[in-house]
Amino acid sequence: QLVLTQSPSASASLGASVKLTCTLSSGLSSYAIAWHQQQPEKGPRYLMKVNSDGSHSKGDGIPDRFSGSSSGADRYLTISSLQSEDEADYYCQTWGTGAHVVFGGGTKLTVL
Amino acid sequence: QITLKESGPTLVKPTQTLTLTCTLSGFTLSASGVGVGWIRQPPGKALEWLALIYWDDDKRYSPSLKSRLTITKDTSKNQVVLTMTNMDPVDTATYYCARVDNGDYVFQHWGQGTLVTVSS
Repeated sequence: QLVLTQSPSASASLGASVKLTCTLSSGLSSYAIAWHQQQPEKGPRYLMKVNSDGSHSKGDGIPDRFSGSSSGADRYLTISSLQSEDEADYYCQTWGTGAHVVFGGGTKLTVL
Repeated sequence: QITLKESGPTLVKPTQTLTLTCTLSGFTLSASGVGVGWIRQPPGKALEWLALIYWDDDKRYSPSLKSRLTITKDTSKNQVVLTMTNMDPVDTATYYCARVDNGDYVFQHWGQGTLVTVSS
């Protein structure tokens, strides 16, 4: 079964770095995922696609402060030099056999 | 500039059928590899994928909602339409359309969303 698990919340200080995790369900460690950012009262925005080998491709205009990586079934989104506008919900997304699309439960990031 | 804009009723009654339209700008759904999907988000909750249609009319549906959903495209109007039957208050959500490229499943461009409330 295709399931993505995210921690409900995370926090970090202004100017610091934070690493968000998205975990693929058992046996799916070869799957790629995508990260999306949703700022308060706005629609989602595509950030990047992260492959199982850790390579990633970012969307247009996404700052270098955002990067992706992988380890086993975990996919990461790292945001460095945190800014106030990075306070948002972050969702991971993947897709599986039969082209079914799944989203994680989202992580609410608070910038202190 | 690629944009997608959702439109449709803001209020529907239980048991009614919802019809939403996604109007595309800056690209055409007849281009090879392009697809448009629908995703919804109940207030305060996570995103949920509903359906996806590709340039070649290939269609995909969420298994849990498949029996209630129909997705179609009108290339001449550059629109994608989603219908959802037998609406219930739990279907109250913001509905988004979004574009995928290269026959992929990654939603790279999103609309602003439209809030649909189901209430009698």
